[in-house]
Amino acid sequence: GDSVTQMEGPVTLSEEAFLTINCTYTATGYPSLFWYVQYPGEGLQLLLKATKADDKGSNKGFEATYRKETTSFHLEKGSVQVSDSAVYFCALSGTRSGNTPLVFGKGTRLSVIA
Amino acid sequence: EAGVTQFPSHSVIEKGQTVTLRCDPISGHDNLYWYRRVMGKEIKFLLHFVKESKQDESGMPNNRFLAERTGGTYSTLKVQPAELEDSGVYFCASSTGSSRNTQYFGPGTRLTVL
Repeated sequence: GDSVTQMEGPVTLSEEAFLTINCTYTATGYPSLFWYVQYPGEGLQLLLKATKADDKGSNKGFEATYRKETTSFHLEKGSVQVSDSAVYFCALSGTRSGNTPLVFGKGTRLSVIA
Repeated sequence: EAGVTQFPSHSVIEKGQTVTLRCDPISGHDNLYWYRRVMGKEIKFLLHFVKESKQDESGMPNNRFLAERTGGTYSTLKVQPAELEDSGVYFCASSTGSSRNTQYFGPGTRLTVL
């Protein structure tokens, strides 16, 4: 079945450092790909998404590019802030349209220190 | 516009007791999902409602779990009787019929079974 593998955390970075969180997936067909973020004490929030190969999702300085050839959707940010400390989840849905359940990775906890 | 809400935020019960979790989706969202995250593991899909009908309940772990969505509005998830392995965070999400699978999540209910 479909699956998502993301790098294990926790990840600790200094403020203004470059962030990469790796995510690879296994899926049949053409999935949509997502990054969700969970800030302390809050629910999951959609951070960005991409629905087809070579699409780049971006939001709040974060970016991820849908790479079909490497089945990857790595999350990057050029300069992290303390406020980016959260748990990040990579996810996919099995179809590009319609409404189907999400398949999640295990989550990566990011801590940014001043 | 109000987001997805869940009640209670925390619940601590003893093994063998019954607990009912509630989810209020975003108004007008026909699709409602339940997910669960057990400590340190992935967020796993439980079931999917379209309006009041169960579209997919393939993720429900066993018959101790019962989900309902009366009138296609709020949903409840009952666990009866609760077991230790049911502990975790239960998330609810909702989406419209045309959102290309952008699911909006609630803050979750943390269930602890002692």
